[in-house]
Amino acid sequence: KNQVEQSPQSLIILEGKNCTLQCNYTVSPFSNLRWYKQDTGRGPVSLTIMTFSENTKSNGRYTATLDADTKQSSLHITASQLSDSASYICVVSSFNAGNMLTFGGGTRLMVKP
Amino acid sequence: GAVVSQHPSRVICKSGTSVKIECRSLDFQATTMFWYRQFPKQSLMLMATSNEGSKATYEQGVEKDKFLINHASLTLSTLTVTSAHPEDSSFYICSARGTGSNSPLHFGNGTRLTVT
Repeated sequence: KNQVEQSPQSLIILEGKNCTLQCNYTVSPFSNLRWYKQDTGRGPVSLTIMTFSENTKSNGRYTATLDADTKQSSLHITASQLSDSASYICVVSSFNAGNMLTFGGGTRLMVKP
Repeated sequence: GAVVSQHPSRVICKSGTSVKIECRSLDFQATTMFWYRQFPKQSLMLMATSNEGSKATYEQGVEKDKFLINHASLTLSTLTVTSAHPEDSSFYICSARGTGSNSPLHFGNGTRLTVT
């Protein structure tokens, strides 16, 4: 069964600090992995998309890594800002069933001043 | 800028009425659109996958007669919640994807439905 597990479920950090969010998946055959940021009451916004051959991809202060061997991904946020407070969702796409998507449960990040 | 427009952003309706939510792709042709439901502090739950010109594929446990999905064109999909009940109150989000397995998946901004 395709699954995507994210940890931690929630996280509180102080402004300016770094943090790393984890995503482990069992989706097969793997197509790509996406990280989304979802502000409260809004739709998710794409941060990064990574394919099998990509190990690291950055988008400003966000850096995603992918280890396709261990089926793990991380999202590292550098120098956090108050506006980083949101839910971060990991979504893995499979080549099967018309590129089926499997969603992680998300990590709720709160950045405090 | 937003590439998927979802409308309305908020709607309040009375029990027993029907509500239609629209999802439009603004600058690309969306061969596939997805509809999700999200409860507070939870992740997105896929309700159905909609392919243009064909019937939607519903996830297990989602009543197709209650949540009517129409994907009549490559830029528009609609979700109609029929005979709404208070327990249908939720946040509904659509997403759209163009052709290609690595095509970006763009999300709408969601619709907050409150059934009184």
